[in-house]
Amino acid sequence: QVQLQESGPGLVNPSETLSLTCGVSGYSISIGYYWGWIRQPPGKGLEWIGSIYNSGRTYYNPSLKSRVTISVDTSKNQFSLKLSSVTAADTAFYYCARNDADYSRAWGPWDTWFDPWGQGTLVTVSS
Amino acid sequence: QSVLTQPHSVSAAPGQKVTISCSGSSSNIGYNYVSWYQQLPGTAPKLLIYDNNKRPSGIPDRFSGSKSGTSATLGITGLQTGDEADYYCGSWDSSLITVVFGGGTKLSVL
Repeated sequence: QVQLQESGPGLVNPSETLSLTCGVSGYSISIGYYWGWIRQPPGKGLEWIGSIYNSGRTYYNPSLKSRVTISVDTSKNQFSLKLSSVTAADTAFYYCARNDADYSRAWGPWDTWFDPWGQGTLVTVSS
Repeated sequence: QSVLTQPHSVSAAPGQKVTISCSGSSSNIGYNYVSWYQQLPGTAPKLLIYDNNKRPSGIPDRFSGSKSGTSATLGITGLQTGDEADYYCGSWDSSLITVVFGGGTKLSVL
């Protein structure tokens, strides 16, 4: 059974960098799949941040691309998120999830879904 | 403002059937596949439907998905109080080059 667990600071100062890690158990990242980050401001909807393949190839939401870095460490079976220059608008629950997709395919139709998800972690941006 | 449009809320009585719509465009639902997620209060989203109408292992057949043109629909039959949750649709948008989600629909089982 695949399980994911987010970890990292729950409070980040404005203008600093948010850093989270997602530990994966029950499945080796090095085998395959994309691995993604999704966030949800309290009381609001879901927003895809980006996804990474075990090779390190990344795909980002264009609206966040300039501030986002997702990396993978197959030796530790985990992947990480860094979001720079954060503001109060980045306050949200951050979820990691296994992402079944093939973003590298040149032709569609494309399918993408997230399963399973981690329990999520609330990150508050405030001084 | 979400790219995919869902009703803010729906309600039905226990045992009844409810449908939740998700409206998009030719660059997302009209061309690509749709997934649906259930988010129970205080928990992470859970995959209900992928590839428009497929259910992952463990999801009861009370949940179904369909797609027609640029819209998709989640159906839930035999409603239970435990189905009270927020439901989200998702798809890939070929023009925006991003995963898009609906704004979510709150289901109340009265």
